[in-house]
Amino acid sequence: DIQMTQSPSTLSASVGDRVTITCRASQRISSWLAWYQQKPGKAPKLLISKASTLESGVPSRFSGSGSGTDFTLTISSLQPDDFATYYCQQYNTYWTFGQGTKVEIK
Amino acid sequence: EVQLVESGGGLVKPGGSLRLSCAASGFSFNSYNMNWVRQAPGKGLEWVSFITYSRSYIYYADSVKGRFTISRDNAKNSLYLQMDSLRAEDTAVYYCASSDSTNLVDNWGQGVLVTVSS
Repeated sequence: DIQMTQSPSTLSASVGDRVTITCRASQRISSWLAWYQQKPGKAPKLLISKASTLESGVPSRFSGSGSGTDFTLTISSLQPDDFATYYCQQYNTYWTFGQGTKVEIK
Repeated sequence: EVQLVESGGGLVKPGGSLRLSCAASGFSFNSYNMNWVRQAPGKGLEWVSFITYSRSYIYYADSVKGRFTISRDNAKNSLYLQMDSLRAEDTAVYYCASSDSTNLVDNWGQGVLVTVSS
């Protein structure tokens, strides 16, 4: 099975900060990597697919990069609505999620 | 409007059974693969099971293999998860989610809570 290792688990940041979350797959998954945002009590929201494709309606401050085993989600300028938990997910073979990164207000 | 609506959750004793349903509308259910994903209280997302649109392929997470059974009825636009031999660690919100031909998620349901406790 493919394992996804996401870091950090918690991130404290201020509005306007540049934020980076990393995700590593236990084996190569090409670009079959998605990023989600989840807020309490809600289903996850898809932000990025195919490692770097921004979903429709997602602000351009979100970006993704990487291929193979190493991936990154970047928020260029953190906004109040961005305080949430973020998950990476591989969809190369079934699904596996990273452990999540909670972005907190500093 | 695309909708996935889960039902069937509730409180069940350890060792008991429960059947979750997911009613789909607003899209061609019989053309989409379907998944169950769960989230224990305060924890992360865990993929549970997958079924192709034609029921040709079915997969399970190791944590539920042999205890859970995924199925679908394309005539009724419905997805199911039969959960047997339930354990306390199965307590979670269960989401159904559709996925496309690349296995990328397409839509999520709102989730249903399953609590396993004596």
